[in-house]
Amino acid sequence: KNEVEQSPQNLTAQEGEFITINCSYSVGISALHWLQQHPGGGIVSLFMLSSGKKKHGRLIATINIQEKHSSLHITASHPRDSAVYICAVNAGGTSYGKLTFGQGTILTVHP
Amino acid sequence: DAGVTQSPTHLIKTRGQQVTLRCSPISGHKSVSWYQQVLGQGPQFIFQYYEKEERGRGNFPDRFSARQFPNYSSELNVNALLLGDSALYLCASSSEATVYYRGTEAFFGQGTRLTVV
Repeated sequence: KNEVEQSPQNLTAQEGEFITINCSYSVGISALHWLQQHPGGGIVSLFMLSSGKKKHGRLIATINIQEKHSSLHITASHPRDSAVYICAVNAGGTSYGKLTFGQGTILTVHP
Repeated sequence: DAGVTQSPTHLIKTRGQQVTLRCSPISGHKSVSWYQQVLGQGPQFIFQYYEKEERGRGNFPDRFSARQFPNYSSELNVNALLLGDSALYLCASSSEATVYYRGTEAFFGQGTRLTVV
């Protein structure tokens, strides 16, 4: 079993829909990251959080440390949101910045 | 300010050859990590360097090696290439290594796509 599991693996939505991507992890962490990867390969950091909730525009990320679970929400989805969304964690202690990644969620938003 | 830059962007090598990939972190960042992303999977940790010292190593064979230079740029070397080494190699920089119980935001380069034929 992977240390970081995402669901769903694939997600298709119509423009305007509310989207949720889930991430569960099995290790103690110091931080959780949500990242976005476009077909060209480059990865962009969306959020880093260790508790509570963060919001940037139409994106909202939440984390529940006790349940070892995080969600990424996209409100009023748009075709330009189509990308791979990846959850990654910094394990606690002497991990020295190593990130452990989930397998990613492929999101396709249709106009 | 320039972001994380990686070179080359694409590379084709033959089995058995050796390859060197390069990464320049964001100015002021002392930590560089390398990841391998095989098609359809999430990235896998290879190495992390902080202040020119290896601080972490993933589950990769000894054919993989890396180093960090005084200007904090880094090279990843892979010897005796196998077909299975074909992947996107990502470099991430951050301002510091993870301090106990605190995460640091990582900034990624565009990656080097290596194809081994």
